[in-house]
Amino acid sequence: EAEVAQSPRYKITEKSQAVAFWCDPISGHATLYWYRQILGQGPELLVQFQDESVVDDSQLPKDRFSAERLKGVDSTLKIQPAELGDSAMYLCASSPVRDTQYFGPGTRLTVL
Amino acid sequence: DAKTTQPTSMDCAEGRAANLPCNHSTISGNEYVYWYRQIHSQGPQYIIHGLKNNETNEMASLIITEDRKSSTLILPHATLRDTAVYYCIVRNVGTDKLIFGTGTRLQVFP
Repeated sequence: EAEVAQSPRYKITEKSQAVAFWCDPISGHATLYWYRQILGQGPELLVQFQDESVVDDSQLPKDRFSAERLKGVDSTLKIQPAELGDSAMYLCASSPVRDTQYFGPGTRLTVL
Repeated sequence: DAKTTQPTSMDCAEGRAANLPCNHSTISGNEYVYWYRQIHSQGPQYIIHGLKNNETNEMASLIITEDRKSSTLILPHATLRDTAVYYCIVRNVGTDKLIFGTGTRLQVFP
């Protein structure tokens, strides 16, 4: 069964450093999402791509976060500089258009 | 998007049916009910979804009331591996957006 791949699974960094997360969606899924999940809460959408275009980044803190999906396949989420409050699980999901989302295993970020 | 209300936590004995309720009283006609679960430190796992009719798959059954204001996810024979947080989400047909609440923490005990 096809799965969403994410790397790294765990990342520890110091505040003010840059970090990057990678996501490879299920083959053929046009829509890709990045979520952030703070401990004890449900995931919150950060950014949504349709192919290579951003369709919703209203909750993305654009002063420090950026996301790209250059060829409309895999995607990178970057934080620069990282802050203590960025410690969370970062989840990637993909779906066919207007269909069920499937999530990857996530990247757990700890900022020291 | 409609809000959902779920109990914070539930317990279930292994081998028994787990019935997880969800209220979505403001749901509109073009909104699906989705269920996901999240086992500790993993990504959310899709379970099942429905619009009006009851649905069943290899993981669970979804019972939606006739007025669509509430639903119940049924795990027919819970196992220890079903211990997880279960999220009930209402998704508009016209958008892809999922809005997660805090879910129900289901603890299955031996």
